Amino acid sequence: SQQGEEDPQALSIQEGENATMNCSYKTSINNLQWYRQNSGRGLVHLILIRSNEREKHSGRLRVTLDTSKKSSSLLITASRAADTASYFCASWRQGGSEKLVFGKGTKLTVNP
Amino acid sequence: NAGVMQNPRHLVRRRGQEARLRCSPMKGHSHVYWYRQLPEEGLKFMVYLQKENIIDESGMPKERFSAEFPKEGPSILRIQQVVRGDSAAYFCASSLWDSTGNGYTFGSGTRLTVV
Repeated sequence: SQQGEEDPQALSIQEGENATMNCSYKTSINNLQWYRQNSGRGLVHLILIRSNEREKHSGRLRVTLDTSKKSSSLLITASRAADTASYFCASWRQGGSEKLVFGKGTKLTVNP
Repeated sequence: NAGVMQNPRHLVRRRGQEARLRCSPMKGHSHVYWYRQLPEEGLKFMVYLQKENIIDESGMPKERFSAEFPKEGPSILRIQQVVRGDSAAYFCASSLWDSTGNGYTFGSGTRLTVV
């Protein structure tokens, strides 16, 4: 079953604004990761947050994790046109087969 | 280290032909994962392999699809008798053994178009 559902499916903002994307998952996880994909390209790993962490920062990125709600959010501050891409969360389940399970993604458009 | 190499980048096949997609993992990585991405969708897990072993093929269609990761050489995803619905981007990722999923590195993908 698909684990990890992002919302919104699409988000359009102006340059300089903040962008927030959310992700929910179904089972217990070891960690949750966020990836970025430019149109027609491969995936780039952005950030990993472990199940015992609540918040993590990397440059303009801020990720939160709420294991009680089985949800995570990715915040991009002071967005730029170059941030236009699709963003996916991917969870690494606790136990079971070791593989990343991806959500459907949020398509972010940052207008100059 | 050139990272995870996938080839070809683009592949066009007629219905009924075979498609072979190759993935060379990062140097030292012995775990390979294949994912499929349909247009405007996320990545769906297909298969997880270690050298000479299929560990998890729960995402592989039952027919026409097979994967291998031989002792020497790249991992191969093979699709026999392709149909239009196989048109997608196929991504490969590799990792060292890491029980937390950290350290996945993705290739740039092979975009398969079935005409």
